[in-house]
Amino acid sequence: AQSVTQPDIHITVSEGASLELRCNYSYGATPYLFWYVQSPGQGLQLLLKYFSGDTLVQGIKGFEAEFKRSQSSFNLRKPSVHWSDAAEYFCAVGERVNDMRFGAGTRLTVKP
Amino acid sequence: DSGVTQTPKHLITATGQRVTLRCSPRSGDLSVYWYQQSLDQGLQFLIQYYNGEERAKGNILERFSAQQFPDLHSELNLSSLELGDSALYFCASSAGTSGIYNEQFFGPGTRLTVL
Repeated sequence: AQSVTQPDIHITVSEGASLELRCNYSYGATPYLFWYVQSPGQGLQLLLKYFSGDTLVQGIKGFEAEFKRSQSSFNLRKPSVHWSDAAEYFCAVGERVNDMRFGAGTRLTVKP
Repeated sequence: DSGVTQTPKHLITATGQRVTLRCSPRSGDLSVYWYQQSLDQGLQFLIQYYNGEERAKGNILERFSAQQFPDLHSELNLSSLELGDSALYFCASSAGTSGIYNEQFFGPGTRLTVL
């Protein structure tokens, strides 16, 4: 059965520092992979997605993610974090909407 | 602002009761999706409607039902409520039939508390 693991429940980084959020998945075939962000009081917003091709994917708000098949990982990165990036981040995997699995989320706190 | 609206924002009710959550999709979007986000289960897909027809079904309980009306707004009906139904319920919409290939735009959610 497919599953998604986000090992870090909570991460704190200083503003301007780099960020990496981890995501590991278990899936029978080559998965479609997604990162979403949820700001307080808001719904989810799609940051980026990977279907195939170039394993380094660029998204909105300066985020990128790298698909590593050998490690079953799809980590999210940002070179310089802004205070407005404080939010909850969700990794998801699936080929169809009714088999999508979401990770438990990583809460990002940004220190001034 | 995603353009998806959900009402009400908060709902407090008692066990055994029935509630209706409402969602208006973005202008032009034909698909509506419902999700449940709870502390113990995380985020789960419930059901998708496309232009009035059920398109995909997830982990939706038999006590829950949904429909999409001709004006494309959707309602999620939750009945015989239990304490474990307390959660944040999100609606999302997309232009096409696929919630994977078409980006889903999420509303702010309805927080349901069952006492």
